[in-house]
Amino acid sequence: EVQLLDSGGTLVQPGGSLRLSCAASGFTFRNSPMSWVRQAPGQGLEWVSVIYSGGHSIYYADSVKGRFTISRDDSKNTLYLQMNSLRAEDTAAYYCVSHTRFGPFDSWGQGTLVTVSS
Amino acid sequence: EIVLTQSPGTLSLSPGERATLSCRASQIVTSSYLGWYQQKPGQAPRLLIYGTSSRSTGIPDRFSGSGSGTDFTLTISRLEPEDFAVYYCQQYGSSPFTFGPGTKVDIK
Repeated sequence: EVQLLDSGGTLVQPGGSLRLSCAASGFTFRNSPMSWVRQAPGQGLEWVSVIYSGGHSIYYADSVKGRFTISRDDSKNTLYLQMNSLRAEDTAAYYCVSHTRFGPFDSWGQGTLVTVSS
Repeated sequence: EIVLTQSPGTLSLSPGERATLSCRASQIVTSSYLGWYQQKPGQAPRLLIYGTSSRSTGIPDRFSGSGSGTDFTLTISRLEPEDFAVYYCQQYGSSPFTFGPGTKVDIK
């Protein structure tokens, strides 16, 4: 059974930094593209970033480009999202998602809440 | 970027009724790369339909998807109480992997 355990969300001040983690199990992590998707309170889903197997292909939404960095540690079956220069509009539940290349987002973590506020 | 628009924003129906949800894309989406997700309050989204019309594992056959080009549809043939939720379409063929704004199906 695929399991994705998101963690690291907390309250952080505007301009601050935070690193989210996603521990994966139940599938061959190193072969799987992984994405982060976020959802602001009461709002819809927004794709944030994807990292493909090997970590060589990475893409970001324009809203986070230059501020967020996605990475993976295949030896630990863990996905990361380093978030810098955080803004109030980054407040959201962040979900890690596993999928195949050109495939649907078939497995989701439970989400971790990031609140950016002074 | 492919922009997805969903209609209606809210659909108020009774259990047993048929629900028809629309997703329109700003440019052609390859049918293989269009999916639908269900989200209930406090839960992560769940994949319902992928490749426009294929049901994900464990999804009942009252859920069906159709469409091509820029117009796609999710149909729930007879609403069960557990189907009242928010539904999102998504294209996953090219980055950014955009979602529609969602359609809320609530109880009339």
